[in-house]
Formats: sequence, structure tokens, C-alpha cells
Amino acid sequence: NAGVTQTPKFRILKIGQSMTLQCTQDMNHNYMYWYRQDPGMGLKLIYYSVGAGITDKGEVPNGYNVSRSTTEDFPLRLELAAPSQTSVYFCASRSTQGHSGNTIYFGEGSWLTVV
Amino acid sequence: SQKIEQNSEALNIQEGKTATLTCNYTNYSPAYLQWYRQDPGRGPVFLLLIRENEKEKRKERLKVTFDTTLKQSLFHITASQPADSATYLCALEGGSQGNLIFGKGTKLSVKP
Repeated sequence: NAGVTQTPKFRILKIGQSMTLQCTQDMNHNYMYWYRQDPGMGLKLIYYSVGAGITDKGEVPNGYNVSRSTTEDFPLRLELAAPSQTSVYFCASRSTQGHSGNTIYFGEGSWLTVV
Repeated sequence: SQKIEQNSEALNIQEGKTATLTCNYTNYSPAYLQWYRQDPGRGPVFLLLIRENEKEKRKERLKVTFDTTLKQSLFHITASQPADSATYLCALEGGSQGNLIFGKGTKLSVKP
């Protein structure tokens, strides 16, 4: 299994541009998440999904959008990029089954710089 | 709302010593608490989960304790090695749908 795969790894955006961070998981997990991690600030939840067709806002959703058309994919869309969105973005997933149901599996991260 | 604090931003110890990291939470006791390891430029990786009815859990050189009276978890690495150098994150259930909230992490440096 590849686990959670994110692309791109690095991206530089100009202010006002838009882009999509891709995330896919091959573990058939119901729950998927997008976090951002700023230096010294810990992980903040942007959006999450409990299954295909269902998404909900996390702690810091402003400036972002998500969709969940399949179990595997959970893309994060940045509209009108702003310097405050410069961060490291992590996609994650978890199962709801069995003893591993509470463990979150993270992707390797996407480094985004808005200039 | 639930808040989680990891008291030390950084911890420096000598190889072979035991590292002890602290995680405190402020409100209701969660059903479980987790510890993750994060290396520079990588995503966090799950290490251990401890449930509210478990006082202690071990995995190789790792030991986690959970004190619901003190609202605190301690994470111990015995016989520490330079390869243990990383940032360690504490996480617990704090939002809707059982979403995890994370502490800011403690950066552990083990010197040879």
C-alpha cells in the first residue's frame, strides 16, 4: 500500500492565484483530513470528510474548499491565494474499524509559498 | 473547548538517558490519547495510543502513562539514541466526529 499520497511536494504561488493540492489514499479509509502546520503552531484542521460526498469545516477553513467525490480522493482547493496561506499542508486519513480505527495516517506534506 | 499543551518546545538530553515529554489537557478527559513522531520535512507517524482506562502502555523503549486526575500524559524514551531525535506530538479527541487536536510538539535532541 502507498498509504496517503499528496501532490505537489513544493509549490510557489503568486498572490491571487488558485491551485489544488491533491490527496489520495489506498487504505479504503472513511475519514480524511486536511491540516496545515505553521512553525511553532502545531497542526490545525482545515477541513475533514467522514465519507464520499460528505465534508465539513475544521478549525481554519477560510480561503479553502474541498470535495470528496470518491473514497480515495480528497483534494484541497485554494482560491485567491494569500501570503497567510504559506504553510505546510498535510493530508491524512483514518479507518473507523477495529483497533486501528483511532490512528491517523499522514501524507508526506506539501510545502506552499505564496509570494 | 478542549486545549492541549506540551510544556517544552525543546528538550536536549545525552545519549543513553531517559527522555520524558509532558502533555497536559484542560477540559474533559478524552477516551484516548495518542503520541506521534515527526521528522523534519515528513508527516507525523503514529507511535502509541493509550485509553482512559489504561494507566501505562509500553512499546519497545517507549512508555506512555495517562493520569486522568492530573489531566496529563507522560511519554518516556528509555536508553535514548541520536536516532530518537525528532519532534513528538501529543494528540487527543477534541472536536466533532472524534477529530483529533494536536499539541505544538516537543523537539527532542539526543546528543551522542
